[in-house]
Amino acid sequence: EPEVTQTPSHQVTQMGQEVILRCVPISNHLYFYWYRQILGQKVEFLVSFYNNEISEKSEIFDDQFSVERPDGSNFTLKIRSTKLEDSAMYFCASSEGTGGSGNTIYFGEGSWLTVV
Amino acid sequence: GEDVEQSLFLSVREGDSSVINCTYTDSSSTYLYWYKQEPGAGLQLLTYIFSNMDMKQDQRLTVLLNKKDKHLSLRIADTQTGDSAIYFCAEMESGGYQKVTFGTGTKLQVIP
Repeated sequence: EPEVTQTPSHQVTQMGQEVILRCVPISNHLYFYWYRQILGQKVEFLVSFYNNEISEKSEIFDDQFSVERPDGSNFTLKIRSTKLEDSAMYFCASSEGTGGSGNTIYFGEGSWLTVV
Repeated sequence: GEDVEQSLFLSVREGDSSVINCTYTDSSSTYLYWYKQEPGAGLQLLTYIFSNMDMKQDQRLTVLLNKKDKHLSLRIADTQTGDSAIYFCAEMESGGYQKVTFGTGTKLQVIP
C-alpha cells in the first residue's frame, strides 16, 4: 500500500539552528500538509499546500516556518531559528483531494524534533 | 473555531467491546475520521465516515454518527491487547482546503 514517508525520523538540533524536515507524499496525491504534535498534546494543523502554493495555514505557521515542493516528489518543512518550544513530532500528510474517499488524509510516521 | 472533544482514557478487558466517543462543533463537517497512534509511532487511519452516513462497519470496527448531536463513536469488537493505543477522532471542515481538526485523543488500555 502506498505510504507517506518522512525523514529524518528523529533530529536533535541546537536552539537557533535551522531544520529541514522532508516528506515524500503518496505519488498521485495533490494536497500536502504538515501537522505537529507536542508531547502529550493534540495534533495541530500547521499548513496545507496545493498547486504549488500554500492554501491555508494556522496561527502557529508564522514567518519562522516555510514549505516547499522543490521537485516532483519531495515536500519540505523548514524551521528557521529553532526554539525550545518547537520540539515536537512533525507529521507530513497527503490526500488525493478528489472527493469521496479521495478526501482521506494519510499521515507519515512523523519526524521527532528535539531542540536543545 | 472548530473543536473536537474526546474522553482521555478508556480501560477494557480483552475480548470485551470498546466504545470511544467524540463530539465536534462544526455542523458543516464533511468527513469524520478515526486514527490510531501507537506509542512513538505515526497516525494510522482506521476508518472514516462521510457526514451523510449514520453508520459504517469495517470488520471489528463500527462507526456511528449522530449528526444532530454532533456525536461520533468508534466501537471495537473483541478488543485485543494490540488495540492498546491512543485513538484520535478528527473532522474535516467543509468548503476549504481539507484541513482536519483533531480531538484530544483517547488512550485505550486493554487489560489481558
